[in-house]
Amino acid sequence: GENVEQHPSTLSVQEGDSAVIKCTYSDSASNYFPWYKQELGKGPQLIIDIRSNVGEKKDQRIAVTLNKTAKHFSLHITETQPEDSAVYFCAASILNTDKLIFGTGTRLQVFP
Amino acid sequence: GAGVSQSPSNKVTEKGKDVELRCDPISGHTALYWYRQSLGQGLEFLIYFQGNSAPDKSGLPSDRFSAERTGGSVSTLTIQRTQQEDSAVYLCASSPGYGYTFGSGTRLTVV
Repeated sequence: GENVEQHPSTLSVQEGDSAVIKCTYSDSASNYFPWYKQELGKGPQLIIDIRSNVGEKKDQRIAVTLNKTAKHFSLHITETQPEDSAVYFCAASILNTDKLIFGTGTRLQVFP
Repeated sequence: GAGVSQSPSNKVTEKGKDVELRCDPISGHTALYWYRQSLGQGLEFLIYFQGNSAPDKSGLPSDRFSAERTGGSVSTLTIQRTQQEDSAVYLCASSPGYGYTFGSGTRLTVV
């Protein structure tokens, strides 16, 4: 079945530095790749997504890149701020459905 | 409401009791999903409703778990004869066809 691997599991950066989280997926039919941010006590919130027909998408300080050949995609956060501290999940769609398989999460800590 | 609403937000139950968790999706969203998140863990798929199609129950961990979605809107996840390993946050999400919106979850503790 579809599998999504996410690395690293924890990431600590200094405020202002960049953070990169990487995911790989197994199903070549996957065509939708969202990223979610989960703050303590809350449900995950969609922060950015990308479809398989583009290689990169940017929204202010966050960007996602997709390499379909290698079946991996990455989240890039620039100029990190303490409020970026949260758990981040990547996900990949399954077989032309809306169903998502999630990575295991990355706990990002941004130190002032 | 503007978002996905889940109730209760917290539930403590005794081992062996049945529990019902409720999800009110965003109006008009055709798809509804239940996921389970154990402490410090990722999101485990449980069940998926899409319109009038038969639900995808492939993620339900045992026959103690069931879910229904009435009228294409509100959904209830039922856990019978709860066990301590059922303790987790149960998250509901709805979707108009792409991109989920999650609720805040129900934290279930089985004592």
